[in-house]
Amino acid sequence: GDSVTQMEGPVTLSEEAFLTINCTYTATGYPSLFWYVQYPGEGLQLLLKATKADDKGSNKGFEATYRKETTSFHLEKGSVQVSDSAVYFCALTETSGSRLTFGEGTQLTVNP
Amino acid sequence: NAGVTQTPKFRILKIGQSMTLQCAQDMNHNYMYWYRQDPGMGLKLIYYSVGAGITDKGEVPNGYNVSRSTTEDFPLRLELAAPSQTSVYFCASSYSTGQGYGYTFGSGTRLTVV
Repeated sequence: GDSVTQMEGPVTLSEEAFLTINCTYTATGYPSLFWYVQYPGEGLQLLLKATKADDKGSNKGFEATYRKETTSFHLEKGSVQVSDSAVYFCALTETSGSRLTFGEGTQLTVNP
Repeated sequence: NAGVTQTPKFRILKIGQSMTLQCAQDMNHNYMYWYRQDPGMGLKLIYYSVGAGITDKGEVPNGYNVSRSTTEDFPLRLELAAPSQTSVYFCASSYSTGQGYGYTFGSGTRLTVV
């Protein structure tokens, strides 16, 4: 079945550092890919998405490119802020289905 | 505000008790879902519904039941609560296209079974 794998362990960065959170996936068809963000005590919010190979999703300074050849969708940001501290989830849906499959989530802490 | 409303926000249950987690959406979304979030495990799908009167099992349905009598409401029932059901539960709804970008999540219910 479909699966999503994110980099292990929490990430701690200083403000203005460069961020990469790795995400790889396994899917039988042609999935759409997503990054969701969860701030403390809140539900999940869509951060960005890409629906086909080589698409780049972007929002709030975050970017991710749909790489079919490496089955990856890594999240990047050039300069993180304290307000970016949250849990980030990579997810996919198959084109024929409606259900999101999530990765394990990555806790990001940004220190001033 | 439009969105997905979950109640209660917090609950402590004793082993063997039952309860219903409420979920309501006012966006006329066809699809609704229940996920549970365990630490370090991401979100796992419990049940989902593609419309009123239609429900189906997700990855981890054991110990839960759902119903969908209206488009707006999708309650999750726990019968005979067990410590393994201690988790944070999220309800979500989405556009009928099912492409994910139409998802809206509730703020969650934190359940502890003791």
